[in-house]
Amino acid sequence: NAGVTQTPKFQVLKTGQSMTLQCAQDMNHNSMYWYRQDPGMGLRLIYYSASEGTTDKGEVPNGYNVSRLNKREFSLRLESAAPSQTSVYFCASSDLWGQRRYEQYFGPGTRLTVT
Amino acid sequence: RKEVEQDPGPFNVPEGATVAFNCTYSNSASQSFFWYRQDCRKEPKLLMSVYSSGNEDGRFTAQLNRASQYISLLIRDSKLSDSATYLCVVNPSNAGNMLTFGGGTRLMVKP
Repeated sequence: NAGVTQTPKFQVLKTGQSMTLQCAQDMNHNSMYWYRQDPGMGLRLIYYSASEGTTDKGEVPNGYNVSRLNKREFSLRLESAAPSQTSVYFCASSDLWGQRRYEQYFGPGTRLTVT
Repeated sequence: RKEVEQDPGPFNVPEGATVAFNCTYSNSASQSFFWYRQDCRKEPKLLMSVYSSGNEDGRFTAQLNRASQYISLLIRDSKLSDSATYLCVVNPSNAGNMLTFGGGTRLMVKP
């Protein structure tokens, strides 16, 4: 039971390049999330998917797109990377209903640098 | 004003000390509250939920003051392994399952 996995762990991009961050969970959760974490800013929600087939914008969606490929997988795409997107990206998942719906399980993160 | 505010610290305490963190939130209609722990260069993990009546889990006690819109976390008998960043987390009332995270308070426990 791996929980939430993310690839890659590290990435360096040049301004204007594109890339896709991959996330998968094996906990049969309905909801999945993408966050970015910057020093002093806390975790900020980029996009989320409440359930398979749905995606919605979070607090900071500009410059990103997402795909909920199936119940397990939720990817984040940067079409044209900018230095302001240098950050640590975390994927998370949770139940949609029930008492544990606020318990989000996080992946190990992707450290992205855009030069 | 940030939705969830925390003193970033760091709080430097000796082993065995008692330390308390506070956090304030701006949305008075928020319903659910949590503390997450994040070790250096690792992912956040749920530490405990915060209930209106206050709750305790071993050396950790969480309190909620709705009137003043603040949440506290008390750690007794600090251990070296408690060194981490503690994130105050709120579920705003109209946000479904989404969470709003504070910037975190860093704790360093020294021998």
